[in-house]
Amino acid sequence: TQLLEQSPQFLSIQEGENLTVYCNSSSVFSSLQWYRQEPGEGPVLLVTVVTGGEVKKLKRLTFQFGDARKDSSLHITAAQPGDTGLYLCAGAGSGGGADGLTFGKGTHLIIQP
Amino acid sequence: NAGVTQTPKFRILKIGQSMTLQCAQDMNHNYMYWYRQDPGMGLKLIYYSVGAGITDKGEVPNGYNVSRSTTEDFPLRLELAAPSQTSVYFCASRLGLAASYEQYFGPGTRLTVT
Repeated sequence: TQLLEQSPQFLSIQEGENLTVYCNSSSVFSSLQWYRQEPGEGPVLLVTVVTGGEVKKLKRLTFQFGDARKDSSLHITAAQPGDTGLYLCAGAGSGGGADGLTFGKGTHLIIQP
Repeated sequence: NAGVTQTPKFRILKIGQSMTLQCAQDMNHNYMYWYRQDPGMGLKLIYYSVGAGITDKGEVPNGYNVSRSTTEDFPLRLELAAPSQTSVYFCASRLGLAASYEQYFGPGTRLTVT
């Protein structure tokens, strides 16, 4: 069974600060996705990383896939209250995710004005 | 496009009752999934389907059944509800293996079994 460990589980910071969320595993994933979930809604995809060492940027969010494709990080620069939410990492196995994704437990992020 | 729709939004069941959670997608996606989300536990895969007529078990299938008679619909059946099935259930769909990796999620069904 593949497992994804996310840290931290909870993070509350002031507007304008930077933060990093980590997603680690002992397993290799064919791809890794980051989702954001608002209360009462389903997760929404932010980014997919596929290649080891890949870095993707989405405005103030920077996503990195580890060289060995076992871990990933999400870095937010100058956090805004609108960044508040639950961030989930999810990995696809050797089948490319046809048999579903393995999710981490999530990071609850609160950005205080 | 409506995307992925789920009904009902909320439901309270008594122990031993049965119900069907409905899921439909209008994006002509081949792959569909059912996950459950418990507080602090992330999402766990219950069942999935790679096409009409094809279903397979995920990580936590016990107590559930599914069917996929059409590309659009993927209902989840609970036969004998138990308190351990209290959870938020999400249906998701994906175009196909060679296409985008993205899974599109519905808004969820919050189920309480008492």
